[in-house]
Amino acid sequence: DGGITQSPKYLFRKEGQNVTLSCEQNLNHDAMYWYRQDPGQGLRLIYYSQIVNDFQKGDIAEGYSVSREKKESFPLTVTSAQKNPTAFYLCASSIIQGSSTNEKLFFGSGTQLSVL
Amino acid sequence: GQNIDQPTEMTATEGAIVQINCTYQTSGFNGLFWYQQHAGEAPTFLSYNVLDGLEEKGRFSSFLSRSKGYSYLLLKELQMKDSASYLCAVRDSNYQLIWGAGTKLIIKP
Repeated sequence: DGGITQSPKYLFRKEGQNVTLSCEQNLNHDAMYWYRQDPGQGLRLIYYSQIVNDFQKGDIAEGYSVSREKKESFPLTVTSAQKNPTAFYLCASSIIQGSSTNEKLFFGSGTQLSVL
Repeated sequence: GQNIDQPTEMTATEGAIVQINCTYQTSGFNGLFWYQQHAGEAPTFLSYNVLDGLEEKGRFSSFLSRSKGYSYLLLKELQMKDSASYLCAVRDSNYQLIWGAGTKLIIKP
């Protein structure tokens, strides 16, 4: 079955530590996204990528980094510069970004990141 | 600024009908989406509206009025499994998605 796989489901970060969240899709989608979800707030875009080896900052990119070396994979690193990393992180993909209005997002099941 | 408003929480009874409202102020409009999200899980796509009017899909319907900046999601014949958060999102003139905070729907027997 095609879909998006995020791992791990739960992750704990120590002070000063970088952690990486995995996101893999086998939907053959061009575009991939990382969102952060906090209680009482809408999803906020961290980074997105439309093609391999290219990505753009979203609204809250500070303290995060990404790579897109393969079409299927879009890992997110939460660096020690992100001072408030506790949140639910969602990865998503879509067929193509921006050129059509009705393209829907397919989401992974999320990673809950907490600070020790 | 861009803003999407939804009620924080609603309660309804199994078998009944519930309407979840969404109002938006965005820079341009290129469609409105509704997603369902069970706690700790992935949001899943429910509906898309770009023209005014009602879109019906089984027990779920979604309505849009662009002139009023308003949409609603109508859920009929409520089932316990419909207990979830419902997210409203608008695609703006730059094709970026702006998300509401979601409405938590509680279904009681």
